[in-house]
Amino acid sequence: GAVVSQHPSWVICKSGTSVKIECRSLDFQATTMFWYRQFPKQSLMLMATSNEGSKATYEQGVEKDKFLINHASLTLSTLTVTSAHPEDSSFYICSARRARGPTLDTEAFFGQGTRLTVV
Amino acid sequence: QQQVKQSPQSLIVQKGGISIINCAYENTAFDYFPWYQQFPGKGPALLIAIRPDVSEKKEGRFTISFNKSAKQFSLHIMDSQPGDSATYFCAASYNNDMRFGAGTRLTVKP
Repeated sequence: GAVVSQHPSWVICKSGTSVKIECRSLDFQATTMFWYRQFPKQSLMLMATSNEGSKATYEQGVEKDKFLINHASLTLSTLTVTSAHPEDSSFYICSARRARGPTLDTEAFFGQGTRLTVV
Repeated sequence: QQQVKQSPQSLIVQKGGISIINCAYENTAFDYFPWYQQFPGKGPALLIAIRPDVSEKKEGRFTISFNKSAKQFSLHIMDSQPGDSATYFCAASYNNDMRFGAGTRLTVKP
């Protein structure tokens, strides 16, 4: 299967600082990537859909100024948690799907996740 | 609104037994139903998936049963092994929209 690499796998930062998480599709072009947040023992909550070359689409209730998404190339999307606070501590996961013409292939490939701890 | 309902929340099975996890969906537009396996601290990995034009799909010890009229689908893990202990998520997808169930924490006891 395709590989999606997420970096870093874990990060600890001080309250008030910003943290950038990278998501790369290693062997295919991903015009669209998805960012999820997962709390302990809970399901994946879609935060936003990242579109290459255009603005991300955020889910209701997700602060776009707080969670900045940039999809600068066909293989890289970044999520920046700005002015992080302890309540932002969570497991963040990206996923990517191959482009198949105007639509996306159905199979989603997930990164290994990033554990963010804000102290 | 939870579009995909998953049960049970947790499941304990003896080694060699059958693990069964159930999901139900609301939106009839969904046309792709994958199951993901997630180990602690890792991202989900695709286990098996089905489309609504078939009622069953089997891959090794894993089987998906799909009931289109009831809008339900289930995962069966035959001969469950301790290494199968993980959290399992069902999902339903249509175009760019993929919705996940709440997850089932499976523990297989040796």
